[in-house]
Amino acid sequence: AQSVSQHNHHVILSEAASLELGCNYSYGGTVNLFWYVQYPGQHLQLLLKYFSGDPLVKGIKGFEAEFIKSKFSFNLRKPSVQWSDTAEYFCAVNLRGSQGNLIFGKGTKLSVKP
Amino acid sequence: EAEVAQSPRYKITEKSQAVAFWCDPISGHATLYWYRQILGQGPELLVQFQDESVVDDSQLPKDRFSAERLKGVDSTLKIQPAELGDSAMYLCASTWDRPNTEAFFGQGTRLTVV
Repeated sequence: AQSVSQHNHHVILSEAASLELGCNYSYGGTVNLFWYVQYPGQHLQLLLKYFSGDPLVKGIKGFEAEFIKSKFSFNLRKPSVQWSDTAEYFCAVNLRGSQGNLIFGKGTKLSVKP
Repeated sequence: EAEVAQSPRYKITEKSQAVAFWCDPISGHATLYWYRQILGQGPELLVQFQDESVVDDSQLPKDRFSAERLKGVDSTLKIQPAELGDSAMYLCASTWDRPNTEAFFGQGTRLTVV
């Protein structure tokens, strides 16, 4: 069955610390990969996406993610977090070539201390 | 910037009552999704529409849930009768009618069944 695993439920960092959130997927086929962010009281917003090509993907607000096919991973990184990055982060996957259903991980709550 | 509109934002209903949620996708988006997000979990698909047709409703509890998109634009999700376990955030999302595209999410309706 298709699934997405996010390794950390809650991450607490101080401002300027580096961030890496883990995401592994299990999916029978070639996939599209996404990271969405949900700021407090707001809707899910796309941070970045990978469809094909360069496995290192740059997103908004200084975030990036690297697709490692051999590890079925798509980890999210940011070199220096800010208090405004406090949010919940969701990794998601769907089948390449489809408009199909996104399979989401359980999410990682990031708290950044000023 | 175009947004997916959902109403109401919050709904409290008593067990066994009927409840309905409304979604208006981004103009031109042919594909519409309803997801349910239980606290502490990622969103899970309930139903997917392509224009007015249901593409996937395999996870929709059809004994109590129904969804329609009569004119292929806005959509309604109904629960009758509501149960305590239906308390969750109900999210609507939409995408363009082409493969390998991102989903845009509304702010959701938070349902509390008492």
